[in-house]
Amino acid sequence: KNQVEQSPQSLIILEGKNCTLQCNYTVSPFSNLRWYKQDTGRGPVSLTIMTFSENTKSNGRYTATLDADTKQSSLHITASQLSDSASYICVVRVQTGANNLFFGTGTRLTVIP
Amino acid sequence: NAGVTQTPKFQVLKTGQSMTLQCAQDMNHNSMYWYRQDPGMGLRLIYYSASEGTTDKGEVPNGYNVSRLNKREFSLRLESAAPSQTSVYFCASSGTGQGAYGYTFGSGTRLTVV
Repeated sequence: KNQVEQSPQSLIILEGKNCTLQCNYTVSPFSNLRWYKQDTGRGPVSLTIMTFSENTKSNGRYTATLDADTKQSSLHITASQLSDSASYICVVRVQTGANNLFFGTGTRLTVIP
Repeated sequence: NAGVTQTPKFQVLKTGQSMTLQCAQDMNHNSMYWYRQDPGMGLRLIYYSASEGTTDKGEVPNGYNVSRLNKREFSLRLESAAPSQTSVYFCASSGTGQGAYGYTFGSGTRLTVV
C-alpha cells in the first residue's frame, strides 16, 4: 500500500534553534518528493521538490534531503523564526496512475520566543 | 498575480442543503484539482480535471460533483450536504498534465455541515 508517514506529529522549539522533520514513504514507482509549508488557515505552499537523483536541496533556511534507497526524506530548518510556525507536509508523486500524489499528515511546528 | 482563488472562505450548511464551491486560477494551468483536508489525515483528492472539458474521480468522490467551466474555473458541488462532508476544501492547479510540478493551492474553504 502506498503510504507517506511523517514524524513527529508535532514539535515545539525555541526561536533560533534548529529542527529536523522526517518523512518515510513506501510509494512506488517514485517520481518526486515535495515539502510544503501550510500556515494556519492557508493552502500549502511548496518549499522544495526533489527527484530520484537529487539528495539535497536548499531553499533559504530550509534544507531537504532524500535517500531514495531507504525511502526517507528530511526537512531541516536552521535558525528557526516565529514565522516558521506552520504544518509541514511531505508529498510523494508516483510515476503512474491518475491519482498519483500521496500526502503525509504533516508535522505541526510551533516556534516560541 | 492572484494564483488560485477560492470562494467562499467559510460556509455553514444544514444537512441536505446544496452548495457550490468556486475556484478560479489565472496561471493558464491545464489541470485543476479539488482536495479535502481532515484532521489527522493527508489531503485526499476528490475530483480532478486534467484539461478543459475533462473531469475524473479521485480517491473520495462520493457526494460531490464537479464542473470544469472553462480553463480558468473548476467548481465543486455538494448536492445534499452531510455532516461527514465537514472539512476544509482546497482547490489546486498545475501546469503540466497530471501535476508533476508546480502545484498551486488556494487558501481553502472551511465547510461545516450541521
